[in-house]
Amino acid sequence: KQEVTQIPAALSVPEGENLVLNCSFTDSAIYNLQWFRQDPGKGLTSLLLIQSSQREQTSGRLNASLDKSSGRSTLYIAASQPGDSATYLCAVLGGSNYKLTFGKGTLLTVNP
Amino acid sequence: GAVVSQHPSWVICKSGTSVKIECRSLDFQATTMFWYRQFPKQSLMLMATSNEGSKATYEQGVEKDKFLINHASLTLSTLTVTSAHPEDSSFYICRGRGTSGKETQYFGPGTRLLVL
Repeated sequence: KQEVTQIPAALSVPEGENLVLNCSFTDSAIYNLQWFRQDPGKGLTSLLLIQSSQREQTSGRLNASLDKSSGRSTLYIAASQPGDSATYLCAVLGGSNYKLTFGKGTLLTVNP
Repeated sequence: GAVVSQHPSWVICKSGTSVKIECRSLDFQATTMFWYRQFPKQSLMLMATSNEGSKATYEQGVEKDKFLINHASLTLSTLTVTSAHPEDSSFYICRGRGTSGKETQYFGPGTRLLVL
C-alpha cells in the first residue's frame, strides 16, 4: 500500500525566503507525482506534475524534483510571498492501479 | 485543461437527511470517477472508484450503503450521503479520468457538507 509523507507539517517563513517542501513515498512504481496547492476551505489547484520518466518541472518561482528510485520529491519555492501561504499537497499516481495517494500536506505561512 | 464541476459547493443539512452531490465532466468523457473526502486539517482520502455503467469499488472502511455512488453516464457521477450524521461533515471532491491516455488529474472544486 502506497504511503505518502510530507515534511514539515507546517512551516512559517518571512517574506522573500527560499524554501523547500519535502515529499516521500514508499512504492516507487508510480505513474506520476503532482504538487497541489489548497487554500483554506477551497479545492485543489494543480501546481506541477512530474511524469515518472522526468526528474523535474518548473513553473515560475516553483521547481519540483523527482527521484523515483529513492521515493522522494521536493518542491522549491523561490522568493516566497505572503500570497504563497496555503497548504501544499503532494500526490502520487500508482503505476498499476492509477490510484492517487495524497500526503497530509505542509501548511505554509509566509509572513510580510 | 479539462473541467470538472461539482454541485452544490456548499450544503448544510439536518442529521438524518440524505444529500446528493453531483460531479460533471464538462469537456471530456470521464470513464472513471474517483470520490475523495477530506476532514479538517487532514489529507484527501479516496472513498470509492466508479467506472461508467458499473458498480463502484469502495475503499476499506467506507460504507457502500451509506455512500451511494452512481456513474450512469460518461459525464455525470453522483455521490449520495444517506442518513447523514454530523461525523459525515467533510469536504467531498471528485476526480475524473478520461480516455485520452494522459494521466492528468482533473478535480472538481469540492463540496463542503455540514450536518447539524
